[in-house]
Amino acid sequence: GNSVTQMEGPVTLSEEAFLTINCTYTATGYPSLFWYVQYPGEGLQLLLKATKADDKGSNKGFEATYRKETTSFHLEKGSVQVSDSAVYFCAAQGAQKLVFGQGTRLTINP
Amino acid sequence: NAGVTQTPKFQVLKTGQSMTLQCAQDMNHNSMYWYRQDPGMGLRLIYYSASEGTTDKGEVPNGYNVSRLNKREFSLRLESAAPSQTSVYFCASNDRALSYEQYFGPGTRLTVT
Repeated sequence: GNSVTQMEGPVTLSEEAFLTINCTYTATGYPSLFWYVQYPGEGLQLLLKATKADDKGSNKGFEATYRKETTSFHLEKGSVQVSDSAVYFCAAQGAQKLVFGQGTRLTINP
Repeated sequence: NAGVTQTPKFQVLKTGQSMTLQCAQDMNHNSMYWYRQDPGMGLRLIYYSASEGTTDKGEVPNGYNVSRLNKREFSLRLESAAPSQTSVYFCASNDRALSYEQYFGPGTRLTVT
């Protein structure tokens, strides 16, 4: 079945730094790909998604591009803020469900 | 539009006790899911219901049962709680005919002593 591997955390950055969180997947075919964000004490919220190769998902300054050549969907943001501190999950569409990576905890210091 | 709601938010059980976690969605979604989240393990699927009247096991179903009561509600039951079931439980739903995106509830934090 499909699987997702995420960059291990935790990741700590200073405000306004550039962020990359790596995500690669293994799958049959071309699954839809997602990034979810979990703020402290809350459930997961969809951050962005891409449904086919070369699509770029974007939201709140975050971007990720569906790269079928490298089977990757890395999350990027040009200038992070303290409010971006959260846990980020990469996910891929599976046969009946979503397959999640293990999550990356991001902390942004002022 | 409340989305996905879960009750209770917190629960403490003693080993061997039973309880039911409740989940409801008001988005008319066909599919519903139960996950558990443990530190360093990401989310693991316990059970899911692709449509009303059907349920299937996920990765970690042992020690749990589910009921898809109707299209809106999907409950998770622990018949005899064990410390290994201490976790945060999330319910989610989606309509796969439209999108694979899942919508999550706020979670239930369960501690088994």
